[in-house]
Amino acid sequence: SAVISQKPSRDICQRGTSLTIQCQVDSQVTMMFWYRQQPGQSLTLIATANQGSEATYESGFVIDKFPISRPNLTFSTLTVSNMSPEDSSIYLCSVSTTSGRALGSYEQFFGPGTRLTVL
Amino acid sequence: GNSVTQMEGPVTLSEEAFLTINCTYTATGYPSLFWYVQYPGEGLQLLLKATKADDKGSNKGFEATYRKETTSFHLEKGSVQVSDSAVYFCALLNTGGFKTIFGAGTRLFVKA
Repeated sequence: SAVISQKPSRDICQRGTSLTIQCQVDSQVTMMFWYRQQPGQSLTLIATANQGSEATYESGFVIDKFPISRPNLTFSTLTVSNMSPEDSSIYLCSVSTTSGRALGSYEQFFGPGTRLTVL
Repeated sequence: GNSVTQMEGPVTLSEEAFLTINCTYTATGYPSLFWYVQYPGEGLQLLLKATKADDKGSNKGFEATYRKETTSFHLEKGSVQVSDSAVYFCALLNTGGFKTIFGAGTRLFVKA
């Protein structure tokens, strides 16, 4: 299993500013992801955070808006840049690990989320 | 590509009623299937999972069986409680464990 912590847990920010969210995992993991959950919506994958290289972004998300760092196998940051009210969401860090019980079996764990409100 | 479709909500039931939330999926390879639950104001929690065909995941009275022939993973509970009121997400993790695809979520309201 993996235990994930995020900071901050919540924040209220002004339009036009940026916020960096930190994600710390209690063990080394290869696969690390950032998701967004807009109010009343499901989770949408923003990007895969790759250690030692640029993140891989999903369609509709760009590096200039959501720069990601992954300096090592236990830590990542997501920055929400030049924020607008439409960026108000819960941002979740996630990791994927092998479950160990069956070959090719994976589990995904989620952090508690960062609830962002942009005024 | 991979996708998950689950029944639209909200679903409103009386306490002790039987619950079914339908979920079907489209995937290449042999994905793992999950149900996550999100209680009001809280984060996402894994409810149950199944990693191969015919596996049954169960937890807290909830069950779901991985049906490859019908590409389904329906969530069931025999007797719901008010405390089960939450949003339920069906999800799949594709072969290789690269990323989870979520359904739209189904909101459940249970009345006393």
